[in-house]
Amino acid sequence: DQQVKQNSPSLSVQEGRISILNCDYTNSMFDYFLWYKKYPAEGPTFLISISSIKDKNEDGRFTVFLNKSAKHLSLHIVPSQPGDSAVYFCAAKRRLNTGTASKLTFGTGTRLQVTL
Amino acid sequence: DTAVSQTPKYLVTQMGNDKSIKCEQNLGHDTMYWYKQDSKKFLKIMFSYNNKELIINETVPNRFSPKSPDKAHLNLHINSLELGDSAVYFCASSPRAGGYYGYTFGSGTRLTVV
Repeated sequence: DQQVKQNSPSLSVQEGRISILNCDYTNSMFDYFLWYKKYPAEGPTFLISISSIKDKNEDGRFTVFLNKSAKHLSLHIVPSQPGDSAVYFCAAKRRLNTGTASKLTFGTGTRLQVTL
Repeated sequence: DTAVSQTPKYLVTQMGNDKSIKCEQNLGHDTMYWYKQDSKKFLKIMFSYNNKELIINETVPNRFSPKSPDKAHLNLHINSLELGDSAVYFCASSPRAGGYYGYTFGSGTRLTVV
């Protein structure tokens, strides 16, 4: 049962334009969401996160939007740059108390290609 | 100075062999994880240790045995390797279990069983 879904396996965007990556989740207990970026032969690196008490979080060119009623989040990259070409993973977890087991559940990723 | 380091980066071995993957983190984190990325690119958790104690053990064949000698190290030993074990294995760490923390990942170990 895949609780975090990224339905678009790939996305191509022109340099300077907006990239929008989407993610849906099914578990209503998730209350913390993250985006990771992954280059080939490297591990995923943290990009941006949002907790369920917010509907938007911005960090430079990256903005994450959360729509809890639709169980949907999206990552906006503006403007897109060639160095943004990578696989982007959406991930979600339940916060729980520190010291309590809580795992990050990942989507299958979206490969973003930013063209010149 | 790599925050989460895994060795080896590549591992090619024959079916039936036993192999180990090592992971070390220098971030002072309490919690470490093993994730498996299969051929469909799905990242799935296998195990998690918090201060050397096993706290997450997903449905993984018991041929896989994690060991955490201290909170900075989490190794993965795999017995009787099978073709289906071929995947990329990622180690990760977080400051605490639970809470609003993301994970810091290593660069992965690509295991190929032939």
